Amino acid sequence: SQELEQSPQSLIVQEGKNLTINCTSSKTLYGLYWYKQKYGEGLIFLMMLQKGGEEKSHEKITAKLDEKKQQSSLHITASQPSHAGIYLCGADSGVDSNYQLIWGAGTKLIIKP
Amino acid sequence: DSGVTQTPKHLITATGQRVTLRCSPRSGDLSVYWYQQSLDQGLQFLIQYYNGEERAKGNILERFSAQQFPDLHSELNLSSLELGDSALYFCASSPLQGVYEQYFGPGTRLTVT
Repeated sequence: SQELEQSPQSLIVQEGKNLTINCTSSKTLYGLYWYKQKYGEGLIFLMMLQKGGEEKSHEKITAKLDEKKQQSSLHITASQPSHAGIYLCGADSGVDSNYQLIWGAGTKLIIKP
Repeated sequence: DSGVTQTPKHLITATGQRVTLRCSPRSGDLSVYWYQQSLDQGLQFLIQYYNGEERAKGNILERFSAQQFPDLHSELNLSSLELGDSALYFCASSPLQGVYEQYFGPGTRLTVT
């Protein structure tokens, strides 16, 4: 079965600093989705990446997809308290994922003021 | 606000009981997904409906069942509840049948005592 590994599991970052979260799939990626979750709340869609080398940005968050490495990275520039939360990646691997999203375990991000 | 509503927000019940969770998707969305999120298992896909028909099954127990009604709202029925069923249950919706960005509801927190 497919596995989706996120690293790190948790991250404590000083406000204003940059950070990167990684998501690596054991299977071919047809699409990679990034979501953010505040504790105990629903997930909020951030970005979807579908093509190798694709890069998308939303405000201070940039996500990239490396198709060959079956990996995506999420980069936050000049972190703010509003960035705190749990970041989850979801992978679409076609038939290998039953045409659904397989989810990573999440990265818990804490921003220190 | 994602536009997806879930009721109830919290549910406390005893082992062996049966409960029904309800979800109303975003206006116009035909796909409804159900997920279970627990600390040890992470986010697990349970089942997907598209326009009233079951489209995909994930790690859904036989004690659990779901349906999507003509007005597109969906219900998840959990029976013979066990302590291990305690979790957050999310509903998400999307406009299309395939893998697509999903809009999550706020979740129902189920506690089985």
